[in-house]
Amino acid sequence: KNEVEQSPQNLTAQEGEFITINCSYSVGISALHWLQQHPGGGIVSLFMLSSGKKKHGRLIATINIQEKHSSLHITASHPRDSAVYICAAHLSNYGGSQGNLIFGKGTKLSVKP
Amino acid sequence: DTGVSQDPRHKITKRGQNVTFRCDPISEHNRLYWYRQTLGQGPEFLTYFQNEAQLEKSRLLSDRFSAERPKGSFSTLEIQRTEQGDSAMYLCASSTRTGTRDEQFFGPGTRLTVL
Repeated sequence: KNEVEQSPQNLTAQEGEFITINCSYSVGISALHWLQQHPGGGIVSLFMLSSGKKKHGRLIATINIQEKHSSLHITASHPRDSAVYICAAHLSNYGGSQGNLIFGKGTKLSVKP
Repeated sequence: DTGVSQDPRHKITKRGQNVTFRCDPISEHNRLYWYRQTLGQGPEFLTYFQNEAQLEKSRLLSDRFSAERPKGSFSTLEIQRTEQGDSAMYLCASSTRTGTRDEQFFGPGTRLTVL
């Protein structure tokens, strides 16, 4: 079992739909990142959160530390939101040879016009 | 632009050749990371520098891989005697610790194809 699990792996939505991507983790964390990766490959950091909720435009990220679960929501989705969304757990203890950021496999989102 | 940059963006090579990638981090960032990402997977950690010191290497990193950060600024990742299994996206990230916050900023990546 991976230390960071995302669901769903693939998601197709119609433009305008409300989208939720889930992330569960089994390690102790100091923060959780949500990242966006477009087909060209570059990764953009969307949120880094350690508690509660953050909002940026149409994107909302929430985290429940007790349940070790985070969600990324996209309101009024648009085709330009099509990308891979990756959650990454920033370990609270020193990661050593595994690094201090453990990534999920990503959720591939496709928003149809 | 003051973000993380990587060069080249794409590299096609033949099996057995050596390749070298460069990463220029955000200028005030003292921490630099290399990751590898294969298709359909999240990035996996390769190595980490704090200033010029290489502090961690993944156990997955074979001795064909070597990384340097000679002056604590840019870094290079070299792969010797490339194999087809080395084909992947190689990502660089940089960060600086501010209080308890240590957010990594990623570069555009170098996509390696080994024929």
